[in-house]
Amino acid sequence: GENVEQHPSTLSVQEGDSAVIKCTYSDSASNYFPWYKQELGKRPQLIIDIRSNVGEKKDQRIAVTLNKTAKHFSLHITETQPEDSAVYFCAATPYILTGGGNKLTFGTGTQLKVEL
Amino acid sequence: GAVVSQHPSWVICKSGTSVKIECRSLDFQATTMFWYRQFPKQSLMLMATSNEGSKATYEQGVEKDKFLINHASLTLSTLTVTSAHPEDSSFYICSARELFGSGTRLTVV
Repeated sequence: GENVEQHPSTLSVQEGDSAVIKCTYSDSASNYFPWYKQELGKRPQLIIDIRSNVGEKKDQRIAVTLNKTAKHFSLHITETQPEDSAVYFCAATPYILTGGGNKLTFGTGTQLKVEL
Repeated sequence: GAVVSQHPSWVICKSGTSVKIECRSLDFQATTMFWYRQFPKQSLMLMATSNEGSKATYEQGVEKDKFLINHASLTLSTLTVTSAHPEDSSFYICSARELFGSGTRLTVV
């Protein structure tokens, strides 16, 4: 099955700096890579995703890059703000089910702390 | 818009009793839903895939007789933790598509 590794486990940055979180996956059949933000005690919130036919995607201060050859993908947050502080999870799946959901394999999470 | 609704948000039960958690898809139909378990400061671990109208598919190491899953309609899946024990205390969360429910904090005393 799929195995997703995520680094770093914790990341502290100064407000305004950029943050980068990296993930690698093992299953070359994986074709969908979402990133989630989870605040303490709350549900994971999808913040951005990328499919295997795209190398990069950007949404305001958040961007994701995908290198299929190397089997790794990264989350980039620019101009970080205190409200970006949370746990971020990457995930991968080899298929997307229509009308249902994605069987996701999650990374181990990154605790991001944005300091003033 | 599409939302996954999960209830209850938290529950405390006595050891040996059973607890049912509901997961509903709002404004969309979900033939497949997923149940995850999350321990404090850890990642989400897939427990099972809930399939509408058929048996759930359980991940390795998950006891199907302990974690009963029913997906009787296109918008509702339920997870019943049977004969709960303190080690079952955890955060249980369901998902459909890329959306997650709000999670259920189960504490078994």
